[in-house]
Amino acid sequence: AQSVAQPEDQVNVAEGNPLTVKCTYSVSGNPYLFWYVQYPNRGLQFLLKYITGDNLVKGSYGFEAEFNKSQTSFHLKKPSALVSDSALYFCAVRDRARSQGNLIFGKGTKLSVKP
Amino acid sequence: DGGITQSPKYLFRKEGQNVTLSCEQNLNHDAMYWYRQDPGQGLRLIYYSQIVNDFQKGDIAEGYSVSREKKESFPLTVTSAQKNPTAFYLCASSMGWETQYFGPGTRLLVL
Repeated sequence: AQSVAQPEDQVNVAEGNPLTVKCTYSVSGNPYLFWYVQYPNRGLQFLLKYITGDNLVKGSYGFEAEFNKSQTSFHLKKPSALVSDSALYFCAVRDRARSQGNLIFGKGTKLSVKP
Repeated sequence: DGGITQSPKYLFRKEGQNVTLSCEQNLNHDAMYWYRQDPGQGLRLIYYSQIVNDFQKGDIAEGYSVSREKKESFPLTVTSAQKNPTAFYLCASSMGWETQYFGPGTRLLVL
């Protein structure tokens, strides 16, 4: 069965410091991996995705993520956090081998960036 | 939020009442989805539709119904059979199985 784990409910970072939001996944085949961000009472905004190719994926707002097949991880990173990055972040996975497979979402990680 | 609109932003349901949430997209996407979001539980799939006049149940379809009569529209009805409807409802669309794009959401509250 497909699954996504975001092991941290909350991540606290000081403004200007690097941030990492962790995600691990489980699929039977090769994964499609996604990161979304949600601000309070808003829909999810797409940040970036890994389909194939370079393991380091760059996305919106200076975010990037590294696909690590051996560790089945897809951690979200940013070199220098901004207060405006404070939001709820979701990792999602789909099994590439399943033609009718839907996205499976993690439970979300709340990022808090303090000035 | 792109080209996906959801209405209303807030919706109040009385006990025993059916209510319908609207979702419209102008992205020419074939696929549309409905998710329910509860605090600390992430997103759970209610229904999805890959093409007009066809839809499939997701993980938590009980107490909900949908229709897909037009490519642009995918309304969700929360029926009286749904005993715990209070949640944030999100609609999404995609081209095939590619990236899903989300609407702004509808918050449903029970009176």
